[in-house]
Amino acid sequence: AQSVTQPDIHITVSEGASLELRCNYSYGATPYLFWYVQSPGQGLQLLLKYFSGDTLVQGIKGFEAEFKRSQSSFNLRKPSVHWSDAAEYFCAVQPPFSSNTGKLIFGQGTTLQVKP
Amino acid sequence: DGGITQSPKYLFRKEGQNVTLSCEQNLNHDAMYWYRQDPGQGLRLIYYSQIVNDFQKGDIAEGYSVSREKKESFPLTVTSAQKNPTAFYLCASRYPGLDSGANVLTFGAGSRLTVL
Repeated sequence: AQSVTQPDIHITVSEGASLELRCNYSYGATPYLFWYVQSPGQGLQLLLKYFSGDTLVQGIKGFEAEFKRSQSSFNLRKPSVHWSDAAEYFCAVQPPFSSNTGKLIFGQGTTLQVKP
Repeated sequence: DGGITQSPKYLFRKEGQNVTLSCEQNLNHDAMYWYRQDPGQGLRLIYYSQIVNDFQKGDIAEGYSVSREKKESFPLTVTSAQKNPTAFYLCASRYPGLDSGANVLTFGAGSRLTVL
């Protein structure tokens, strides 16, 4: 089945440590890819997106993500985590050939906890 | 500033009652969406509308209804037919995107519905 998977439900890192959140998708063609962040009780904010071109994309708040076609992955990274990064992170895909609907398919989310 | 306003922020409902969640946007976006969020399940699409007076069912439309009489407004009614309505509901609208076919969603802050 076509889907997007975030293997890690919960991750804890120390402040200042590096971070990598995993995202895998299963579509025949490369979808458009997104990472969103959600603070508790709030809506989702777009961190970054990949449509085509350079496979390393830069986003807001110091985040970046790398698209790897061979691994069907779009992992999110940050070199040094700040306490304010504690939130829930969602990977999302726009399935191929669905641009006319605008539908996004979301992963289950990864909750990030930051230790002082 | 432009954005999406959802109200109420918190809503309590007795079993058997219909409730309506409001979503208003001043972004001049054509397409609007309702997602439901449950812990550990990510976001699931309920309904979406690409133009005024037109809307389509998403993946979990049963027990919900919508209307789109104005471009700015896309209210969601949770009916008594929805068996498990307690959830966090997110409204979004679509910016067409600078890249052809790409869908960038802007989200509201959400409404939390609790059935007593």
